[in-house]
Amino acid sequence: AQSVAQPEDQVNVAEGNPLTVKCTYSVSGNPYLFWYVQYPNRGLQFLLKYITGDNLVKGSYGFEAEFNKSQTSFHLKKPSALVSDSALYFCAVIPGTGRRALTFGSGTRLQVQP
Amino acid sequence: DAGITQSPRHKVTETGTPVTLRCHQTENHRYMYWYRQDPGHGLRLIHYSYGVKDTDKGEVSDGYSVSRSKTEDFLLTLESATSSQTSVYFCAISEESGTDTQYFGPGTRLTVL
Repeated sequence: AQSVAQPEDQVNVAEGNPLTVKCTYSVSGNPYLFWYVQYPNRGLQFLLKYITGDNLVKGSYGFEAEFNKSQTSFHLKKPSALVSDSALYFCAVIPGTGRRALTFGSGTRLQVQP
Repeated sequence: DAGITQSPRHKVTETGTPVTLRCHQTENHRYMYWYRQDPGHGLRLIHYSYGVKDTDKGEVSDGYSVSRSKTEDFLLTLESATSSQTSVYFCAISEESGTDTQYFGPGTRLTVL
């Protein structure tokens, strides 16, 4: 069975500094990887996804993520954090074989301090 | 935002009562999903639909049923609500399964007393 781990419940970073939100996965076949963001009392918003090709994926709001097959990781990054980036971030995976449904990590709360 | 609405947005009910949540889309997407969100668990798939009258179970389907009689509507029913079903419920849609991005509705907060 597939699984996604987000090892940090919360990440704190100062505004203007680079940020990283970590994600590792375990799936059968080649994975399809996604990042979503959730603002308070809102639904999830799609940020970016990796299907195939370039390991560095660029997404919305200046976010990017790097797919690392050997480390089974898909960390979310941004060169310069904004206070408005403060939110709950979810990593999710669809396995390359079997039922094509999203499995989510438990989420990481990002807090950007002014 | 994708054209997805959920109703009601908030509901408080009592243990043992039936509850139906509605998801409506205007995108004409084939796939629709119901998830629940609980602290420490992320989102977990309850049921999904791959077409009108075509549905399948997710990882936490016990106590839930679904129906899809039209492309645009996907209903989630709790036949006899329990306190363990207190959660935030999200509907999602995608054009196809697999690599297609899922887009989420605003959610329904359900409290079962």
